[in-house]
Amino acid sequence: QSVLTQPPSVSGAPGQRVTISCTGSSSNIGAGFDVHWYQQLPGTAPKLLIYGNRNRPSGVPDRFSGSKSGTSASLAITGLQAEDEADYYCQSYDSSLSGAGVFGGGTKLTVL
Amino acid sequence: QVQLVQSGTEVKKPGASVKVSCKVSGYIFVNYGISWVRQAPGQGLEWMGWISGYNGNTNYAQKFQGRVTMTTDTSTSTGYMELRSLRSDDTAVYYCARDYCTSTSCFFDFWGQGTLVTVSS
Repeated sequence: QSVLTQPPSVSGAPGQRVTISCTGSSSNIGAGFDVHWYQQLPGTAPKLLIYGNRNRPSGVPDRFSGSKSGTSASLAITGLQAEDEADYYCQSYDSSLSGAGVFGGGTKLTVL
Repeated sequence: QVQLVQSGTEVKKPGASVKVSCKVSGYIFVNYGISWVRQAPGQGLEWMGWISGYNGNTNYAQKFQGRVTMTTDTSTSTGYMELRSLRSDDTAVYYCARDYCTSTSCFFDFWGQGTLVTVSS
């Protein structure tokens, strides 16, 4: 059972918009820790997609955006493309676990 | 450019230990920490712990305390993760990642390619 909760799967047609939620608690996201997002393509290492709730590293398209409110965060992907089909993970820190890093369980995005 | 290059595939018997290395380049080693993250087959990401590149301080996930040791060699810009008393459910791909920390959290901006550790009798 992951500390951060994500939907196991989401799907959308090319060109559509999808969102992936990440729900935490008062000891992690709600405590003010930032949320970060990673994209993992099949058979590859995770790649940083969003950091500090809403910031994109250089090279990440602006189709990807992040937000945070209260004890939850969201990743939005607009203009879906076939290459976006991947697993997405949110990550934060948890003060009840001695500052341990915590991940969501991951969400499989299927582009229909 | 920043690179983290990990050691190769390992096959171990239950009860044995494994030590995975992570050699970094493209940045000043002592300025960043390294986190270790593992991923069992078909499962999600699991944070194992962190080590400071500056002074070797560590913070291990509760689940692994007593069984994991993370170390660094600043002379070669290499981090190491040793996991002892291996069980079959330790079979996973193990990743090292560079820790980038702000005042409100740390994230992993560069990752190694992963090391598959298989535990089987």
